[in-house]
Amino acid sequence: GENVEQHPSTLSVQEGDSAVIKCTYSDSASNYFPWYKQELGKRPQLIIDIRSNVGEKKDQRIAVTLNKTAKHFSLHITETQPEDSAVYFCAASKVAGGSYIPTFGRGTSLIVHP
Amino acid sequence: SQTIHQWPATLVQPVGSPLSLECTVEGTSNPNLYWYRQAAGRGLQLLFYSVGIGQISSEVPQNLSASRPQDRQFILSSKKLLLSDSGFYLCAWSVGKVNTEAFFGQGTRLTVV
Repeated sequence: GENVEQHPSTLSVQEGDSAVIKCTYSDSASNYFPWYKQELGKRPQLIIDIRSNVGEKKDQRIAVTLNKTAKHFSLHITETQPEDSAVYFCAASKVAGGSYIPTFGRGTSLIVHP
Repeated sequence: SQTIHQWPATLVQPVGSPLSLECTVEGTSNPNLYWYRQAAGRGLQLLFYSVGIGQISSEVPQNLSASRPQDRQFILSSKKLLLSDSGFYLCAWSVGKVNTEAFFGQGTRLTVV
């Protein structure tokens, strides 16, 4: 099955700095890569996603890049703010036997210091 | 618009007692449904998924089972809880027959004592 590795597990930055979270996946059949943000005690929510026919996608301060050859994708947050502090999960999703199964990374706890 | 309801929000159960967590989705038909468990430092572990009524696939052999008695209802059960079943359980849905984002319920914090 799919295996998603996510690094780092914890990331501490100063407000205004950039933050980068990296993920790798193992199954070349995966073709959809969402990123979720989970604030303390709340449910994960999608913040950005990318499909395998695109190499980069940007939404204001957030961008995601995908390298299909190397099977890795990254989340970039610029000009970080304290409200960016949360756990971020990457996922790789594919179609398997009519099922749509996302496999999640272990998560990165991002701490933005004011 | 679509909404997902999951209850209860918190639950404290003794070891050996049964468990039933319920999840319902509104505003869509034929959704893909998922149960995840989130333990500290282990991310989101997929427990069960379903693409249709009565169709359940298990990702991890364990003390739990799932059922989908109706199109938009997904139930997580156990006959006898173990201490190791404690955790944060999340139900999620995604649009059927499409590979796209998952929408999560509010989660259930289960503590087995």
